[in-house]
Amino acid sequence: TQLLEQSPQFLSIQEGENLTVYCNSSSVFSSLQWYRQEPGEGPVLLVTVVTGGEVKKLKRLTFQFGDARKDSSLHITAAQPGDTGLYLCAGGAMEYGNKLVFGAGTILRVKS
Amino acid sequence: ETGVTQTPRHLVMGMTNKKSLKCEQHLGHNAMYWYKQSAKKPLELMFVYSLEERVENNSVPSRFSPECPNSSHLFLHLHTLQPEDSALYLCASSQGPYSANSPLHFGNGTRLTVT
Repeated sequence: TQLLEQSPQFLSIQEGENLTVYCNSSSVFSSLQWYRQEPGEGPVLLVTVVTGGEVKKLKRLTFQFGDARKDSSLHITAAQPGDTGLYLCAGGAMEYGNKLVFGAGTILRVKS
Repeated sequence: ETGVTQTPRHLVMGMTNKKSLKCEQHLGHNAMYWYKQSAKKPLELMFVYSLEERVENNSVPSRFSPECPNSSHLFLHLHTLQPEDSALYLCASSQGPYSANSPLHFGNGTRLTVT
């Protein structure tokens, strides 16, 4: 089992639809980071959430950190083809020495 | 020019070859990392260098040998690899010390195929 479970593994939607992807764990995290990786490129940091219950917005992307700091979600409103990519969550669990671990990611494909 | 540059972008090598991957960061960061990315699996941390000292070696086989000659350059020397080593190898850097609180800046990776 992975420390960070991301769901769904793959999502294919039409342009204009809304979607939510999840990052879950049974462990408490000091912070969580979200990255997007486009085909042929490396991951790029989107946001870091550090406080339980925190909500951060980045244009059409809304990130939420769970109250207990065990999970996070990414909601995209009115998805566009440019949102296509692999979305990765990563964080440090206190019980594992706060070393950064990654989830396996959610592949998002937005069709025009 | 991206902050973290990796060369080559693609590499095909036989199991008896010796090759090296190169990474250079132009961000003035203090820590550099090698990750392995395979399909449908989480990124696997291989090595971490902080201020040119290796601070993490995640049980990586000895056929992978890192080198960090200065804070801006990182190499991964490869020899007698196996087909299962085929993957995308990502280099990253961070401003702060090695911790989960230091965001990573990644290069675009080297796609390695071992035949």
